[in-house]
Amino acid sequence: AQKITQTQPGMFVQEKEAVTLDCTYDTSDPSYGLFWYKQPSSGEMIFLIYQGSYDQQNATEGRYSLNFQKARKSANLVISASQLGDSAMYFCAMRPPISNFGNEKLTFGTGTRLTIIP
Amino acid sequence: SQTIHQWPATLVQPVGSPLSLECTVEGTSNPNLYWYRQAAGRGLQLLFYSVGIGQISSEVPQNLSASRPQDRQFILSSKKLLLSDSGFYLCAWSLPGVGTYEQYFGPGTRLTVT
Repeated sequence: AQKITQTQPGMFVQEKEAVTLDCTYDTSDPSYGLFWYKQPSSGEMIFLIYQGSYDQQNATEGRYSLNFQKARKSANLVISASQLGDSAMYFCAMRPPISNFGNEKLTFGTGTRLTIIP
Repeated sequence: SQTIHQWPATLVQPVGSPLSLECTVEGTSNPNLYWYRQAAGRGLQLLFYSVGIGQISSEVPQNLSASRPQDRQFILSSKKLLLSDSGFYLCAWSLPGVGTYEQYFGPGTRLTVT
């Protein structure tokens, strides 16, 4: 079974500083994928970034980067130059190996509430 | 481009009443579809997923059911709501087939059972 752990229930960060959100995972599958989603107060889940277990380089998307340390089973999200609009809940999620049907059953962590202070 | 719609946005229902939440996807064919529930202050729990019309898999035993009457329509139902059914319900879609990864979420329905 897959498990995602996010140990930071809440974080406060000064605007323009970088922030790292922690995520550790547990799986026995050699093939898996890791996601980060942002959930603002409106409730919608917004896809941020994806990292495959076999990807050689850490994923980056604009100000978002994923610090993937496979041996430690960690996939931390780094947000550079934080903005007030980054205030939201952030969820780490994992998918299992792709099945023959191609469906993706994501397992989510409990989330981290990030608050950017002006 | 693809869009996903959910309605209603909010719903307040008494215990024992029926439920019907609808999700539709535009701009893609044969998507995989998912229903998640998020309890207050918690992560998402997968309830149902579907890889095609009439094909529904349940992840968690409960008094909820799901149906997929059309390719891009996914419905979450209950005959009699319980207090524990309160939460934020999110529908999501993903492209079918190997090599696709992201799930895209709808705006959600906030259900309060009183």
